[in-house]
Amino acid sequence: AQSVTQLGSHVSVSEGALVLLRCNYSSSVPPYLFWYVQYPNQGLQLLLKYTTGATLVKGINGFEAEFKKSETSFHLTKPSAHMSDAAEYFCAVSESGANSKLTFGKGITLSVRP
Amino acid sequence: EAGVAQSPRYKIIEKRQSVAFWCNPISGHATLYWYQQILGQGPKLLIQFQNNGVVDDSQLPKDRFSAERLKGVDSTLKIQPAKLEDSAVYLCASSFGSTGNEKLFFGSGTQLSVL
Repeated sequence: AQSVTQLGSHVSVSEGALVLLRCNYSSSVPPYLFWYVQYPNQGLQLLLKYTTGATLVKGINGFEAEFKKSETSFHLTKPSAHMSDAAEYFCAVSESGANSKLTFGKGITLSVRP
Repeated sequence: EAGVAQSPRYKIIEKRQSVAFWCNPISGHATLYWYQQILGQGPKLLIQFQNNGVVDDSQLPKDRFSAERLKGVDSTLKIQPAKLEDSAVYLCASSFGSTGNEKLFFGSGTQLSVL
């Protein structure tokens, strides 16, 4: 069965600092990997996804993530945090095939200090 | 393009009462999902529809939860009777297909409090 581990529940960074949110996954087949973001009082929206091909994927708002099969990781980074990045971030995994299911991690809350 | 619509936005009920949530997915999206998000946890899939057929309801507590998607468009999720542990945000999402690499579009959710 597929699963996602997001260690910790809260990350705090200063504005302009590097953002690093960690995600490790478990899957019996090559996975599809996603990062979703939930801003306050809004629904979840897709930041970026990895399916096949290039292991470094770029998403919206300057975020990127790298798929590392050997480490079963898909960490999310942004070189310089902005106040508007404060939100909850969810890593998720699915597998190829018809009627595939998307499984989420528990999420990490990102705070950005001025 | 209109997004995924959900109602109500908030609902407060007492335990053992019943409640229903409604979802209208993005037009043309064949796959519809209901997720339960308990405070401090990630969304958990309750049920997944492909058109009007159920493809996964393995985590739906079928003794109290039911869902339907008539005509492959709108969907309702019902809880009867509700328990305290059902307090959560219920998220509806839709996607064009269900091949695993699809982008899911989420509604704003219904926040349920069971007292």
